[in-house]
Amino acid sequence: GAVVSQHPSRVICKSGTSVKIECRSLDFQATTMFWYRQFPKQSLMLMATSNEGSKATYEQGVEKDKFLINHASLTLSTLTVTSAHPEDSSFYICSARDVYQETQYFGPGTRLLVL
Amino acid sequence: AQSVAQPEDQVNVAEGNPLTVKCTYSVSGNPYLFWYVQYPNRGLQFLLKYITGDNLVKGSYGFEAEFNKSQTSFHLKKPSALVSDSALYFCAVSDSGNPPLVFGKGTRLSVIA
Repeated sequence: GAVVSQHPSRVICKSGTSVKIECRSLDFQATTMFWYRQFPKQSLMLMATSNEGSKATYEQGVEKDKFLINHASLTLSTLTVTSAHPEDSSFYICSARDVYQETQYFGPGTRLLVL
Repeated sequence: AQSVAQPEDQVNVAEGNPLTVKCTYSVSGNPYLFWYVQYPNRGLQFLLKYITGDNLVKGSYGFEAEFNKSQTSFHLKKPSALVSDSALYFCAVSDSGNPPLVFGKGTRLSVIA
């Protein structure tokens, strides 16, 4: 299947700092990418949908100024958690949609811990 | 709006026995159905999908799923479970292929040796 990479896999930061997470589709072009958040023992919560070259669409309750999403190319989307706080600690997973396969493929996830 | 139900939080099965993980869905248009598996501290791995065609879909690692339109179900099955199949399984649906995917809450499968 198609491969989606995510970097970093794990990050620990101090409260108030910003953290950038990269998501790349390695062997296909993705006009649409998604960012999810997963709490322990829970399902995935969609945060936002990003379309290449345009502004991201955020789900209700997700602060767009806190979770900045950029989708500058067909293979790269970034999520920046600005001024991170301990409550932002979570597992963040990106997904890229292969239009031809009509399938979403997922990255391995990023574990964020804010101290 | 579409929705997915996975009625079991946990499924336990002995190694070598058949396994079934249940999923039912609700969608107004054509259902595009997916199964993903998640191992600890990892992202989701795609297992299989149903878009059109044969109701029985075969996927990775010996898994298969049967689309049942009348029962609006898409149960995941495997004839003989392995201990390494122990993981968290998610069913997902999109309406006529339009994103985003909507996920069930997940079912934890435990295969006991």
